[in-house]
Amino acid sequence: QVQLVQSGGEVKKPGTSVKVSCRTSGFIFTSYGFSWVRKTPGQGLEWMGWISANNGNAHYAQKFQGRVTLTTDSSTSTVYMELRSLRSDDTAVFFCARKPMGQITDYWGQGTLVTVSS
Amino acid sequence: DFQMTQSPSSLSASIGDRVTITCRASQDITNYLAWYQEKPGKVPKLLIYAASTLQSGVPSRFSGSGSGTDFTLTISSLQPEDVATYYCQKYDGAPLTFGPGTKVDIK
Repeated sequence: QVQLVQSGGEVKKPGTSVKVSCRTSGFIFTSYGFSWVRKTPGQGLEWMGWISANNGNAHYAQKFQGRVTLTTDSSTSTVYMELRSLRSDDTAVFFCARKPMGQITDYWGQGTLVTVSS
Repeated sequence: DFQMTQSPSSLSASIGDRVTITCRASQDITNYLAWYQEKPGKVPKLLIYAASTLQSGVPSRFSGSGSGTDFTLTISSLQPEDVATYYCQKYDGAPLTFGPGTKVDIK
């Protein structure tokens, strides 16, 4: 069965970086793309970016451009999201989701809470 | 920059009421529009895709309509378990923007 399993919660200090992983199974990894979405109390659901596991092409939301990097590792069927220069308002739950190009998001990871606090 | 707007931002309605939420895209997205229900601590739940197709397992009191730039989510008879925040999202291509959300609660 399709599974997306994310890494555990993190506590980070302002100005540092966080890298969240999303290990997938149950399907052909390189046939899909993946989105990252964050949920904050103040901003609701925010799409951060999308990456193709086929060729590594990535698209980022303008708000996060330059601060976020999405990568994939096809040897382990894992997607990564790195967010840099963390601020307190980056405290959020981050979700990975399987999103084929031009199709609906069909499976989600369980979410990873990242807390940014000094 | 692509924009998705929703109205209202919040609403209170009685059990059994008909509830309507609207979503507007800043450019034509044909029918590449999905609606999600979000509850605290839960993964967002897909309700509607392709603007009007009900996702499997979703109660039939939920329905969607629209195309181009203007879309609507309707709950025909509000139930207590429908208390949540509802988001629209375009999914034709990047940016995969969400609307700002509509918070629904019981009067």
